[in-house]
Amino acid sequence: EMVLTQSPVTLSLSPGERASLSCRASHTVSSTYLAWYQQKPGQAPRLLIYGASSRATGIPDRFSGSGSGTDFTLTISRLEPEDFAVYYCQHYSSSGFTFGPGTKVDI
Amino acid sequence: HLRLQESGPGLVKPSQTLSLTCTISGGSISSTSDYWGWIRQPPGKGLQWIGSIDYSGNAYYNPSLKSRVTMSVDTSKNRFSLRLNSVTAADTAVYYCARDIRSFDYWGQGLLATVSS
Repeated sequence: EMVLTQSPVTLSLSPGERASLSCRASHTVSSTYLAWYQQKPGQAPRLLIYGASSRATGIPDRFSGSGSGTDFTLTISRLEPEDFAVYYCQHYSSSGFTFGPGTKVDI
Repeated sequence: HLRLQESGPGLVKPSQTLSLTCTISGGSISSTSDYWGWIRQPPGKGLQWIGSIDYSGNAYYNPSLKSRVTMSVDTSKNRFSLRLNSVTAADTAVYYCARDIRSFDYWGQGLLATVSS
């Protein structure tokens, strides 16, 4: 069974700062099927990154994804006020989908 | 522009069956490359994938829920549905439908389903 671990649980930063969020898989995964989402209170999640590093349609270039194997990172180069939210990583395999527990980015 | 909308009862009694429908607009459920999924989120908690289905009815489910879940498709009405039986309070959650392209790129707004007597 795949387990995704995200760290830190909470990241306290200020607008303009750089954010690095980690997602670690319990065993080696295909980068093709690693995605990141942003969720704000009362809203559905929004796809940010798919294939570990490809930005989804309409996603600003301050969001970037990287990594391979078991370690993946979502980077927000300069935080904007609207970026304060919860971020989830997700993996797909033939067994289905697994989500990480989330990282909250707050002020 | 693809849009998805969940519908169904917001309150279900314990041991009964939760039935939800997701109606698609701005696109066709019959796209051969797409699956359509259900994801849920208990209040204050994280996301859990429930299952996904394609236009022909091929479905795959979260192993932890598989014994209680059935998904179906109605191509004539461009919608798909979820049935979760024998519900308990632990099934109280916001239920989202979404397009499954091995990630989820279009989501409905979500529907809160509460299990309570």
